Amino acid sequence: AQTVTQSQPEMSVQEAETVTLSCTYDTSESNYYLFWYKQPPSRQMILVIRQEAYKQQNATENRFSVNFQKAAKSFSLKISDSQLGDTAMYFCAFMEENNDMRFGAGTRLTVKP
Amino acid sequence: DTAVSQTPKYLVTQMGNDKSIKCEQNLGHDTMYWYKQDSKKFLKIMFSYNNKELIINETVPNRFSPKSPDKAHLNLHINSLELGDSAVYFCASSQGHSNTEAFFGQGTRLTVV
Repeated sequence: AQTVTQSQPEMSVQEAETVTLSCTYDTSESNYYLFWYKQPPSRQMILVIRQEAYKQQNATENRFSVNFQKAAKSFSLKISDSQLGDTAMYFCAFMEENNDMRFGAGTRLTVKP
Repeated sequence: DTAVSQTPKYLVTQMGNDKSIKCEQNLGHDTMYWYKQDSKKFLKIMFSYNNKELIINETVPNRFSPKSPDKAHLNLHINSLELGDSAVYFCASSQGHSNTEAFFGQGTRLTVV
């Protein structure tokens, strides 16, 4: 069974608008870590943002923020003021305390001018 | 069935040894990758293979060599292991090279002592 699910294979947004990418995960653990990675065409993986499950406050990194709903096991990424350079694949990842990391299949985001 | 599988999951070895990590995908994808994840969870692409041809070779030491016996396998060989090689290594696969879904293996934690 898929541990990390990204239900949106593709999304698009107009430049300067806001877009939200969805991610859900499955675990029986109480403490774990969540990540969003950006993957440009080079296939490099760039860490965008991370969240510790024990922290109730949603993580924020400049234009990127998350909506972490622990009870719902949901970890969505919000990109504000979208820029053309945000066009990429975005991967959600989940890591339990034993350090096993699991990735979603990715969401292709296109920012349109 | 696991889409992308790596073996072994854990590998502890001494400096100077030569080791291999195996990766297999049953998705029929034509492109496979190796990533190295550091202690801060940053992922750096090491290699990419498409139809048995190396198409990305980042600045990794030549002690690392990918071997692809067929489209479903991309093994990582490491010679003369060094302490700095300790990391988690992820294999991934996709159909096509850029901007498509990618599926990741569970990672191999390499510890060099």
